[in-house]
Amino acid sequence: GAVVSQHPSRVICKSGTSVKIECRSLDFQATTMFWYRQFPKQSLMLMATSNEGSKATYEQGVEKDKFLINHASLTLSTLTVTSAHPEDSSFYICSARDPASGSNEQFFGPGTRLTVL
Amino acid sequence: QKEVEQDPGPLSVPEGAIVSLNCTYSNSAFQYFMWYRQYSRKGPELLMYTYSSGNKEDGRFTAQVDKSSKYISLFIRDSQPSDSATYLCAMKASGGSYIPTFGRGTSLIVHP
Repeated sequence: GAVVSQHPSRVICKSGTSVKIECRSLDFQATTMFWYRQFPKQSLMLMATSNEGSKATYEQGVEKDKFLINHASLTLSTLTVTSAHPEDSSFYICSARDPASGSNEQFFGPGTRLTVL
Repeated sequence: QKEVEQDPGPLSVPEGAIVSLNCTYSNSAFQYFMWYRQYSRKGPELLMYTYSSGNKEDGRFTAQVDKSSKYISLFIRDSQPSDSATYLCAMKASGGSYIPTFGRGTSLIVHP
């Protein structure tokens, strides 16, 4: 199957700083990528849909000024958590569809664990 | 009521046991049903993908969908310690968005 990578795998930062997380599709081009957040023992919650070359679509309740998404190329989407606070500590996971595959399957990245002190 | 309900567990079984994992849902428009396995601190990986009602088997895994009851199951035969993970069900309606609705996941522990 298609491979999606994320970097970094874990990050610890101080409150008030900004953190950038990268999501890459390694062997396919993804016009659309998805960003999820997962709290311990909770389900995946979709935060936003990242569209190459255009603005991201955010889910209700997700602050677009706090979670900046950039999808500058067909293989890279970035999520920047601005002015991070302890309540932003979570597991952030991206996924992507391979449009050339003809299937609906989403391929997930390995996730990034963010801890805000 | 959440659209997809899944008992978080943990479910602890001995090695070799048959495991039954289940989800219920309320949206009758769901047509695609998926099971993902998520190891600790990793992203989910797709295990099984079924369309509409019926059974699908892949090795030790069997996915079952009962649309009349709005109930789906994943059976694992001859469970192994390496099966210890969180299993998330997910489902979506046909057409429209590619985004499925996820259950919260069931934590499975298979002890030797």
